Amino acid sequence: EAQVTQNPRYLITVTGKKLTVTCSQNMNHEYMSWYRQDPGLGLRQIYYSMNVEVTDKGDVPEGYKVSRKEKRNFPLILESPSPNQTSLYFCASSFGGSGLFFGEGSRLTVL
Amino acid sequence: GQSLEQPSEVTAVEGAIVQINCTYQTSGFYGLSWYQQHDGGAPTFLSYNALDGLEETGRFSSFLSRSDSYGYLLLQELQMKDSASYFCAVEIGGSQGNLIFGKGTKLSVKP
Repeated sequence: EAQVTQNPRYLITVTGKKLTVTCSQNMNHEYMSWYRQDPGLGLRQIYYSMNVEVTDKGDVPEGYKVSRKEKRNFPLILESPSPNQTSLYFCASSFGGSGLFFGEGSRLTVL
Repeated sequence: GQSLEQPSEVTAVEGAIVQINCTYQTSGFYGLSWYQQHDGGAPTFLSYNALDGLEETGRFSSFLSRSDSYGYLLLQELQMKDSASYFCAVEIGGSQGNLIFGKGTKLSVKP
């Protein structure tokens, strides 16, 4: 089954405690990206990757890091999370003509 | 800056037709996509327009006018299950994955 898998799905953490949200896709897609979704603000792009070892900033990259060492994985790293990073995060991948394929989302709360 | 404008809420009755408009102002443009998101779920791809005109997929159609920086999603024969948020998104990077999203339109379908 074609899917984008994110973990964890839910996480409550404290300010400053580093965390990683993993994202893996099994469709051999070259393009992957991370979005955050906040009420009234829609989906905002954090980072994207056109292929292995190629990443670039989206609209709201501050406070986040990513890496793309393998085609299937695109983890999102919060080195020192802050409460304003409390949000719903979506990972997505694309092969080009099919549009974005989203994961189920990761709801993060930073206290 | 980049902006996509769409109505925040639309209400319609079962069996009716509803049109959700989207106007955009972006630094690049390769195409306009539409996504559907049910409460608590992930966005799912509905349609993509790269050229002017109407694309039809079942009960849903999407239209694009590049000269007017405008598009719309048309939903016909509305069903209760169509109650969801609908997002337009502009592809700015030419990969059909580098997307900027609008803030979404919440569609409520009443019996």
